[in-house]
Amino acid sequence: DSGVTQTPKHLITATGQRVTLRCSPRSGDLSVYWYQQSLDQGLQFLIQYYNGEERAKGNILERFSAQQFPDLHSELNLSSLELGDSALYFCASSVEPGAGELFFGEGSRLTVL
Amino acid sequence: SQELEQSPQSLIVQEGKNLTINCTSSKTLYGLYWYKQKYGEGLIFLMMLQKGGEEKSHEKITAKLDEKKQQSSLHITASQPSHAGIYLCGADIRISNTGKLIFGQGTTLQVKP
Repeated sequence: DSGVTQTPKHLITATGQRVTLRCSPRSGDLSVYWYQQSLDQGLQFLIQYYNGEERAKGNILERFSAQQFPDLHSELNLSSLELGDSALYFCASSVEPGAGELFFGEGSRLTVL
Repeated sequence: SQELEQSPQSLIVQEGKNLTINCTSSKTLYGLYWYKQKYGEGLIFLMMLQKGGEEKSHEKITAKLDEKKQQSSLHITASQPSHAGIYLCGADIRISNTGKLIFGQGTTLQVKP
């Protein structure tokens, strides 16, 4: 158990819909990272937050947004969903940027029908 | 990520055999991280290497970092069915000092009893 909690574990929805994925980092970790894993693209970095502020942006679509709240949990919002958004979405956390390894949650599997 | 290449992409070995997985970066490495993933599950941190020539071992898994070649290898001795899974290397290539990791495409390992 990495200490990172993600909900929901599985989500099935239709094209055009909007979903929210939630992440609680390890106790004491201030930095949260979101990744998307698909068969063809592998594990791709989406966005990072540190202590409530956006720190880095990767290959995140404009239809996607995220935020980190004062209690340090984070949410990833995916809207106008397309079939190609079906993937495993991972949240990872670290004490602070550059502190070392990232601790990953179990992931949220999104299926868009 | 094309910045991080793993080889081979997949590997099938007989139980008891040794094997090596390689990870090569096209950018300067500031840290190299090995993770293991069971299909559809979260990433489990294995080892972190930060200094050239560094070598770490955990049970039957040994990882080395060749700073000159910007390459790391993961070696499993006397493989067991429990070693099966997807091995991912992640690298800190110090983009804006965010601490984010980029990942290779992964190596899928099957161990035949």
